[in-house]
Amino acid sequence: TQLLEQSPQFLSIQEGENLTVYCNSSSVFSSLQWYRQEPGEGPVLLVTVVTGGEVKKLKRLTFQFGDARKDSSLHITAAQPGDTGLYLCAGGKSTSYGKLTFGQGTILTVHP
Amino acid sequence: GAGVSQSPSNKVTEKGKDVELRCDPISGHTALYWYRQSLGQGLEFLIYFQGNSAPDKSGLPSDRFSAERTGGSVSTLTIQRTQQEDSAVYLCASSLAGGRTEAFFGQGTRLTVV
Repeated sequence: TQLLEQSPQFLSIQEGENLTVYCNSSSVFSSLQWYRQEPGEGPVLLVTVVTGGEVKKLKRLTFQFGDARKDSSLHITAAQPGDTGLYLCAGGKSTSYGKLTFGQGTILTVHP
Repeated sequence: GAGVSQSPSNKVTEKGKDVELRCDPISGHTALYWYRQSLGQGLEFLIYFQGNSAPDKSGLPSDRFSAERTGGSVSTLTIQRTQQEDSAVYLCASSLAGGRTEAFFGQGTRLTVV
């Protein structure tokens, strides 16, 4: 059962464009993490959000946690070729901290 | 080491053979996780170790899968009588403690069962 639905699965854009990736669930999570993964490497954590309605910014990346803590979004402004990679959202629950539920990922390609 | 180290990087095995995958977590990290990533899929939780507590094995897909963590450090994931559907990238991660602390992933072991 896929508890976290991530969309879109594939995104191909030109350098300078903006984009948003969505992560939705019918379950409530105590925390939501976003990772970026490059080929042949493990995922690298970008951000963790824990409060409903929370917004965090990391340079050109903006992360938002939904008010009900069931959904999240990642917005990239003025995308660059270096942003290319697989973006994964993952939800954690306070009853089982070590067990993250991952979305299926979004493959982003930014063309120069 | 500076990061989580996994070995081997790649493993090709024949169907029916047993395999062992190794994970060296970051020194001092008490929490260790194993995940599996199939092509085009997100990560699937397998097992979680936290200190001396009993591991959470709820994600292991069958009794052919087992994992140990010796001395609170190195972990070994064992797959017995491998099947073709076991082919995937097996990722290990560690963190200072379970929960909201950042998890650092290794580069993974790509397992191919032929």
